[in-house]
Amino acid sequence: DSGVTQTPKHLITATGQRVTLRCSPRSGDLSVYWYQQSLDQGLQFLIQYYNGEERAKGNILERFSAQQFPDLHSELNLSSLELGDSALYFCASGRGQSTEAFFGQGTRLTVV
Amino acid sequence: GQNIDQPTEMTATEGAIVQINCTYQTSGFNGLFWYQQHAGEAPTFLSYNVLDGLEEKGRFSSFLSRSKGYSYLLLKELQMKDSASYLCAVRDVDMRFGAGTRLTVKP
Repeated sequence: DSGVTQTPKHLITATGQRVTLRCSPRSGDLSVYWYQQSLDQGLQFLIQYYNGEERAKGNILERFSAQQFPDLHSELNLSSLELGDSALYFCASGRGQSTEAFFGQGTRLTVV
Repeated sequence: GQNIDQPTEMTATEGAIVQINCTYQTSGFNGLFWYQQHAGEAPTFLSYNVLDGLEEKGRFSSFLSRSKGYSYLLLKELQMKDSASYLCAVRDVDMRFGAGTRLTVKP
């Protein structure tokens, strides 16, 4: 157990809908990262937060948004969902800029 | 931006040694990480290099040359359970991953 908690584990929803994925980082970790992993693909970096502020942005679509709250948990919002958004969404957390990140078990999103 | 390259697939025999290479180009550098990922599961941290040289941790070792933009992960005494994808990641401000190397260990 990495100490990073993601909910829900599985999510099935229809095209055009909106979902929210939640991540609770390890105790004491200030950084949260979000990644998307489509079937048999690599981890695509979406966005990073550090202590409540956006630190870096990757290949995140305009339909997607995220935030980190004062208690350091983070949410990833996906809207106007398309079939191609079906993927595993991972959250990872870390202490700072030069340390490893620990991954949650992921949320498997299926858009039908 | 960042560019991280690793071989797509490798095969090795149980008990043998395998070396997985990673080359990278990045504007900034705050460390190189190796992760292991079994299919459908979360990546798990294996090693971290920020200075040039070899870091050894049990059966796994990782090497870094910052001037060459090159790292490798060395797995010794391969076991069947080592069959997995191995991900190279580079930290600049963010942390980006290569596409991963799928390792198959055969008896």
